[in-house]
Amino acid sequence: ILNVEQSPQSLHVQEGDSTNFTCSFPSSNFYALHWYRWETAKSPEALFVMTLNGDEKKKGRISATLNTKEGYSYLYIKGSQPEDSATYLCAGRPSWDSNYQLIWGAGTKLIIKP
Amino acid sequence: DVKVTQSSRYLVKRTGEKVFLECVQDMDHENMFWYRQDPGLGLRLIYFSYDVKMKEKGDIPEGYSVSREKKERFSLILESASTNQTSMYLCASSNGGSPLHFGNGTRLTVT
Repeated sequence: ILNVEQSPQSLHVQEGDSTNFTCSFPSSNFYALHWYRWETAKSPEALFVMTLNGDEKKKGRISATLNTKEGYSYLYIKGSQPEDSATYLCAGRPSWDSNYQLIWGAGTKLIIKP
Repeated sequence: DVKVTQSSRYLVKRTGEKVFLECVQDMDHENMFWYRQDPGLGLRLIYFSYDVKMKEKGDIPEGYSVSREKKERFSLILESASTNQTSMYLCASSNGGSPLHFGNGTRLTVT
């Protein structure tokens, strides 16, 4: 069974500052890691799906890295803007044929202070 | 863009009522999911379906049932609502291991 932990639980960041937070998971029995952004009153939106050790993906000011050997992924936001305020969720997919079972972290709530 | 539509944004029901939460997706996705989200916890899978008329229990199926008579529609049923089923319910769809596409959620309050 894959347990996914996210830290910190919440984060206040000044507008314009960069920030990062962590998703950790057991390094064994891992296949893929998903990152989602969930803004208030909207639906969660997929950011990245990562599978390979050393993967780095980027979408605008947001990027993510993956270390499958040590069991963590970092999400980075460069130059935070108010629209970045959201809860960021990560989810682990535990095996290559488990198309259905994502194990979710509890999320990191990011609040950008103007 | 994939659209996943949940029939209600907010619902208030009484204990013991039968509750139907409807979800429709418009991209011919094979997989559909029902999750609930509670403060401080990750999303928890209630049921999922990988094909019409097929369903599989997730982590917390007790007190719930589902129906998938058509590919685009996946319904979650609370046979007899209880106060501990007060939660945010999220429907999602996907093909294979692709990212999930979510609906906007239904916030259900059972009084």
